[in-house]
Amino acid sequence: QVQLVQSGAEVKKPGASVKVSCKASGYTFTGYYMHWVRQAPGQGLEWMGWINPNSGGTNYAQKFQGWVTMTRDTSISTAYMELSRLRSDDTAVYYCARWPPNYYGMDVWGQGTTVTVSS
Amino acid sequence: QSALTQPASVSGSPGQSITISCTGTSSDVGGYNYVSWYQQHPGKAPKLMIYDVSNRPSGVSNRFSGSKSGNTASLTISGLQAEDEADYYCSSYTSSSTPWVFGTGTKVTVL
Repeated sequence: QVQLVQSGAEVKKPGASVKVSCKASGYTFTGYYMHWVRQAPGQGLEWMGWINPNSGGTNYAQKFQGWVTMTRDTSISTAYMELSRLRSDDTAVYYCARWPPNYYGMDVWGQGTTVTVSS
Repeated sequence: QSALTQPASVSGSPGQSITISCTGTSSDVGGYNYVSWYQQHPGKAPKLMIYDVSNRPSGVSNRFSGSKSGNTASLTISGLQAEDEADYYCSSYTSSSTPWVFGTGTKVTVL
């Protein structure tokens, strides 16, 4: 079945970087854009950006430009999101979510990766 | 790009219908038929309930329906059930430099 499996929880110190992975299975990885969305504790969803796994092209939310990097490795059907210069308010659950090519919506989500930033 | 505006909470009794609003601008909700809705239970990933304003993905109950008028989109849940108690988020494509935006979220309580 179609699924996105994300890497495990991370604990980082302020100023460090974190790289979260999202492994796709059950479909053609290069046929669907991948979104990244985060959710701080008790807060709403925040869109971070997307990557086109076919071309590697990206589109980041203005807030995250210069600060987030989204990449992919098509040989292992995996997307990555790296966030640098972490601060305590980057503590959140980070999700990857698939975007079908024929409509606007995120139809399959990863289970989420908890990133905790603490000194 | 500011978040789309949703009521913080909506409640209803089992069997009733409730409607959640999602207000944006002509640059997002009003400008495109690209509104989607997500259901999120505590500790779980969001689930797509509606895409492109009013379309249901396969497997989503027909008790969920979406619509749009001007800059406001709406999600209606009819025949409210206990399992519908969750947080709901709208989302829209936008013409801004941040091309995707979520709503502030609405907590649905089944009384």
